[in-house]
Amino acid sequence: AQKITQTQPGMFVQEKEAVTLDCTYDTSDPSYGLFWYKQPSSGEMIFLIYQGSYDQQNATEGRYSLNFQKARKSANLVISASQLGDSAMYFCAMREGRGLTGGGNKLTFGTGTQLKVEL
Amino acid sequence: GAVVSQHPSRVICKSGTSVKIECRSLDFQATTMFWYRQFPKQSLMLMATSNEGSKATYEQGVEKDKFLINHASLTLSTLTVTSAHPEDSSFYICSARGAKYEQFFGPGTRLTVL
Repeated sequence: AQKITQTQPGMFVQEKEAVTLDCTYDTSDPSYGLFWYKQPSSGEMIFLIYQGSYDQQNATEGRYSLNFQKARKSANLVISASQLGDSAMYFCAMREGRGLTGGGNKLTFGTGTQLKVEL
Repeated sequence: GAVVSQHPSRVICKSGTSVKIECRSLDFQATTMFWYRQFPKQSLMLMATSNEGSKATYEQGVEKDKFLINHASLTLSTLTVTSAHPEDSSFYICSARGAKYEQFFGPGTRLTVL
């Protein structure tokens, strides 16, 4: 089974609108972390936001927020007030386990969602 | 903030040659670094975990003799693609593990094998 599923290959949103990018995950480990990264056409991976499995509150970072629904195993990214510069590929990723030693912190990535912000 | 660099950013080589890619953590020490491979319009696939002072741990299906990884210091890991062939053409990205949960990614290296 896919560990990280992103069902939206592409999304379009108008400038200044909010957009939600979906991500569901599959793990039996009680300790895990969920990440969202942005990859513009230049290729670098830009960290956006992190949610730990034990975090009580949904993570927020500026215009980014993570809608964490543990029972549904979903970790959707919400981008508010979209900007043209938000156009990029967005990847959801998961780390299983506490990641304290060695190979811990291995990330499994979803297939990504290509976001296009339009005027 | 933590910065990871990769060198070179782009390389074109002839089939049969070997190519070395460097990954450096510039302002922090990284005991663990990761090497990923990304084909066009696809996701990142973890190739191997590089641990300072020990052998790398390769993911299933990744040939360790083909993709040599050396993590000789706390700030440098290298990936050498040996006897490269056109099917090895890809975008290679490294990341370095931070003090907590973070992974900081390098800008990537685009390899083209003719």
